[in-house]
Amino acid sequence: AQSVTQLGSHVSVSEGALVLLRCNYSSSVPPYLFWYVQYPNQGLQLLLKYTSAATLVKGINGFEAEFKKSETSFHLTKPSAHMSDAAEYFCAVSALSGSARQLTFGSGTQLTVLP
Amino acid sequence: EAGVAQSPRYKIIEKRQSVAFWCNPISGHATLYWYQQILGQGPKLLIQFQNNGVVDDSQLPKDRFSAERLKGVDSTLKIQPAKLEDSAVYLCASSLGLAGGLTDTQYFGPGTRLTVL
Repeated sequence: AQSVTQLGSHVSVSEGALVLLRCNYSSSVPPYLFWYVQYPNQGLQLLLKYTSAATLVKGINGFEAEFKKSETSFHLTKPSAHMSDAAEYFCAVSALSGSARQLTFGSGTQLTVLP
Repeated sequence: EAGVAQSPRYKIIEKRQSVAFWCNPISGHATLYWYQQILGQGPKLLIQFQNNGVVDDSQLPKDRFSAERLKGVDSTLKIQPAKLEDSAVYLCASSLGLAGGLTDTQYFGPGTRLTVL
């Protein structure tokens, strides 16, 4: 079974500092990986996804993630944090379960941006 | 383009009562998903429809949960009877492609927050 592990349930950064949110995956086949963001009282919004086309994936709002097979990682980064980035971030892996696709989420990382 | 709509946004019930949630996916999306998100956890898939057929309900507690997607568009998720541990946010999502699309983007609604007292 495929799974993802997010290291650090809470991360705090100062405004303007680097954001690094960690995600490691476990998969017996090449994975398809996603990062979603969830703002308070809202649904999840796709930030970016890895579909094996390129190892460095750029997403919305200045975020990017790099797929590293040797480290089984797909960490999310942003060079300079903004107050509006405060939210919960979820890493997810997509896999087939029978004939249906399942998206399995990590437990999430709450990002706090300090002024 | 309109997003995924869900109602109600909030619901408070007592244990052993029944409750229903409604979802209207993005127009033209073939696949619809219901997730349960317990506080402090990531969403967990409950059931997945392709058009009006169920393709995966392996994680749905069928003794109390039921769902349908009539005419391949709107969907309802019902809990009867509710338990305390059902307190969670219920998220509906939809995707354009068929159920086996591994790279399809899922678009999520705002969710229904259920509190069971």
